Amino acid sequence: GDSVTQMEGPVTLSEEAFLTINCTYTATGYPSLFWYVQYPGEGLQLLLKATKADDKGSNKGFEATYRKETTSFHLEKGSVQVSDSAVYFCALSGVGAGSYQLTFGKGTKLSVIP
Amino acid sequence: NAGVTQTPKFQVLKTGQSMTLQCAQDMNHNSMYWYRQDPGMGLRLIYYSASEGTTDKGEVPNGYNVSRLNKREFSLRLESAAPSQTSVYFCASSEGRGRHGGGTQYFGPGTRLLVL
Repeated sequence: GDSVTQMEGPVTLSEEAFLTINCTYTATGYPSLFWYVQYPGEGLQLLLKATKADDKGSNKGFEATYRKETTSFHLEKGSVQVSDSAVYFCALSGVGAGSYQLTFGKGTKLSVIP
Repeated sequence: NAGVTQTPKFQVLKTGQSMTLQCAQDMNHNSMYWYRQDPGMGLRLIYYSASEGTTDKGEVPNGYNVSRLNKREFSLRLESAAPSQTSVYFCASSEGRGRHGGGTQYFGPGTRLLVL
C-alpha cells in the first residue's frame, strides 16, 4: 500500500536558519503530494501541494519539488521565523480507488528559537 | 464562511459510554472524512464519505460508526467508548472530484476526547 516516511523530529533551529524536512513516499502511479502544517492547538492547514512530477509547490516562503525519480517531496525554507514553529506533515493522495484517502507521515515538530 | 466546524471541542467519557462527534462544512464539498491523531502516529483515517449517501471504512474503523446526514454534515459515533479511543479527532472535507478523487482536504479544529 501507499506510505509516507518523513524525518523524525523534533527539529530545533535558530531564527533565520535554513530548513529542510525530508519526505519520501511509496505509491503506485502518480500520486498528488502535500505538506500540511499544524500550529499548537489547531487543525491541519494545507501549506503547499504538487500534483505531477517536477512540479514545485510554494507558499509563505516554503517550497517543495515533486521528484518522481527519487520519490521525494522535501520541504525547504530559506530563513525560518519563530512563527514557523509547528508540526509539519507530508502526505499523499493516490490515484484510482484509493484516491479519497490521504496517507500521512508521522509529522515533524519544528521549534524556532529567537 | 466558517469552513469545517466540529463539536464538541473537548469531551471526557467513562469506559462504556457513548457519544457522537459532530462535523459540518459550508464549502459545498462532496467528500468528508474522520481522522484520529495519536502521538507519533500521524493521522489515521477512520471513515470517509466520498459523496452524500455513501460511507466507507478507512484504516482504523473498529469501534466507530458514521452517518452522512446530508451534504453538509458527517457525524462519528462511539457506541461503547474504550480508553484506546482517547485521541484527537479531526473532520475534513474536500471537493471530491477529478483524477485524484479526493482533492485537497480542509480540516476542522479537532475534538479532544479522553476516555477514562
